[in-house]
Amino acid sequence: EPEVTQTPSHQVTQMGQEVILRCVPISNHLYFYWYRQILGQKVEFLVSFYNNEISEKSEIFDDQFSVERPDGSNFTLKIRSTKLEDSAMYFCASSEQGAVNTEAFFGQGTRLTVV
Amino acid sequence: GESVGLHLPTLSVQEGDNSIINCAYSNSASDYFIWYKQESGKGPQFIIDIRSNMDKRQGQRVTVLLNKTVKHLSLQIAATQPGDSAVYFCAETAGSQGNLIFGKGTKLSVKP
Repeated sequence: EPEVTQTPSHQVTQMGQEVILRCVPISNHLYFYWYRQILGQKVEFLVSFYNNEISEKSEIFDDQFSVERPDGSNFTLKIRSTKLEDSAMYFCASSEQGAVNTEAFFGQGTRLTVV
Repeated sequence: GESVGLHLPTLSVQEGDNSIINCAYSNSASDYFIWYKQESGKGPQFIIDIRSNMDKRQGQRVTVLLNKTVKHLSLQIAATQPGDSAVYFCAETAGSQGNLIFGKGTKLSVKP
């Protein structure tokens, strides 16, 4: 069964450092998303990406965040200068037609720990 | 503001009993709702969805009910099994690209 894969599973970084979280969405999907989940809290939307550009973003997704689809398979989230409060699980998701029409499939997540 | 929330943070049921997990939403313009299951250390897994033009939808052992009058969503799990133990989130779509707004989650524990 096709799945969304994320690497690494766990990333530890020092405050102020840049991190890149990687995702390989399901191959025939066109809509890509990043969500985050602070420990014990709900999943929060960060950004959606379609047709090689950001389509929507939340207020969490400030200038420190960026996304990129560098090739035909990868979808990355970059945090330019990490803060302690960026520590969370980061989930990538993809859907075939946009989640209003088809379900979004989530990856296993990357646990980011900022120290 | 617009939000999706849950009435109870935890629910404990006996194996074999039926479970009911509730969710309240505040955005009356939302037209698509989804229930996700999240097991420890994993990403959310789609369970079942429902559109606003329906009030009930059934899957395998799961049923979702939508009451638009009171903006309430529920997930019913029949014959709950130990493998159903997880955190359950309701979510609604917002925005043209289908980005999801999640509720806070209900932790379901199944006692053998």
